[in-house]
Formats: sequence, C-alpha cells, structure tokens
Amino acid sequence: GAVVSQHPSWVICKSGTSVKIECRSLDFQATTMFWYRQFPKQSLMLMATSNEGSKATYEQGVEKDKFLINHASLTLSTLTVTSAHPEDSSFYICSARRRDKSYEQYFGPGTRLTVT
Amino acid sequence: AQSVTQPDIHITVSEGASLELRCNYSYGATPYLFWYVQSPGQGLQLLLKYFSGDTLVQGIKGFEAEFKRSQSSFNLRKPSVHWSDAAEYFCAVGERSNDYKLSFGAGTTVTVRA
Repeated sequence: GAVVSQHPSWVICKSGTSVKIECRSLDFQATTMFWYRQFPKQSLMLMATSNEGSKATYEQGVEKDKFLINHASLTLSTLTVTSAHPEDSSFYICSARRRDKSYEQYFGPGTRLTVT
Repeated sequence: AQSVTQPDIHITVSEGASLELRCNYSYGATPYLFWYVQSPGQGLQLLLKYFSGDTLVQGIKGFEAEFKRSQSSFNLRKPSVHWSDAAEYFCAVGERSNDYKLSFGAGTTVTVRA
C-alpha cells in the first residue's frame, strides 16, 4: 500500500512554454502533498507543501507564480512550471502523506524535466 | 532550525565488505528519522525509519540503523555489501513542531567494487 505515482516520468519542453506534472496517491487519501526539486548529484530541496482544498505554502526562495501548485482532490496534486527556462531543468519529486500517519511521507518516482 | 549532516560524500567499498553511512542531525525534540536509497534517475526508496522504541531498527535489503540520542546520530549499516547496493543514500529527519516536514542530508554516494 501507499503508492504514489507521477506523470509524466520525463518531459522535454521548449523555453517559454508551461508544463504540468501530476502526482497521485493510488491507494490512499493524501491530505498533504509535498513537492521537491533535485539537481544532479544534489539532495532534495522542499519547494512547497500543499493541503487539499487550500493554497500551497512555498518555501523561501521558491517563486509561487512560476511553480503553480494545485491540490484539487485527496488523491491528486499538480505542479505547473510556467514559462519554463533551461534553469528550471531538474528532477521533480512529489510525496504524499495520510491524515493518520502525518509523520511519514510516501514518495513518487520523480519527473525529469528538460527545458531546451 | 533543523539540519542533517552526512559527512561522507562518497564511499567506496568492496563487495562483501561491511558498510556504514553516517548521519547527524540538529534538532530540539525527538526526531523522526529515515534512510532512503536512490538509484540513478529513480525516485526514493525507504530503507528504514525510526520513530520511537528500540533504537536499533531493521530495514529492507539487510540494512539496519541505530539511533543514538547522545550523539544525535542515526548511522546506517550493512554487514555485507552487494554490487546492487551501489546508489545514493539520503538521511532525512522530520519533527513534529515543523509539521513533520523532512530535511534531507546532502547524500552519500556508495560505489561497490568487485
């Protein structure tokens, strides 16, 4: 149990376009989802926290207008990278947690974004 | 502020040898501790976790970790390494006062030589 999926697993887009990444909890209801960013050979950096039905909370230094997060249901959160630029190329990983296990996160497989 | 330190950036170990990865944290209260493994281009796989109770925890793939409060450490060990253990290992810590948001260490790359 506690499976999290991401779609797409990899995406290539042109500079200036927007791209949407989906994060789904497949077998549980996720009251909270997290979005992380990971540069090559580096650690995961938390970008934002989203709670179902409310606005996302962004970490310091993360542009909320550039990284739009929507948590419309208890099983789906989306991250939209708007007007993407090559420096946005990265590995984006989401995680989700259940209401009854708020101390534990279940991670998705990640999405590789390349902006050309 | 919470912080997690993995002092070793890269460790090379021979297949069949033992492995120990270090993790130190800076926290004010009882932390929730995790070790994850990541293969190239893949997501994170949970190896083990510690919340409370027995300070020696067993995980998957033959890994174990020991929580030492006095040393603020949560080191990961494996008695005999297999070539498939070559990967990136991350220690992560969460705390109730911070809504269990995870802070990750910088990671340790493990290379296994034949």
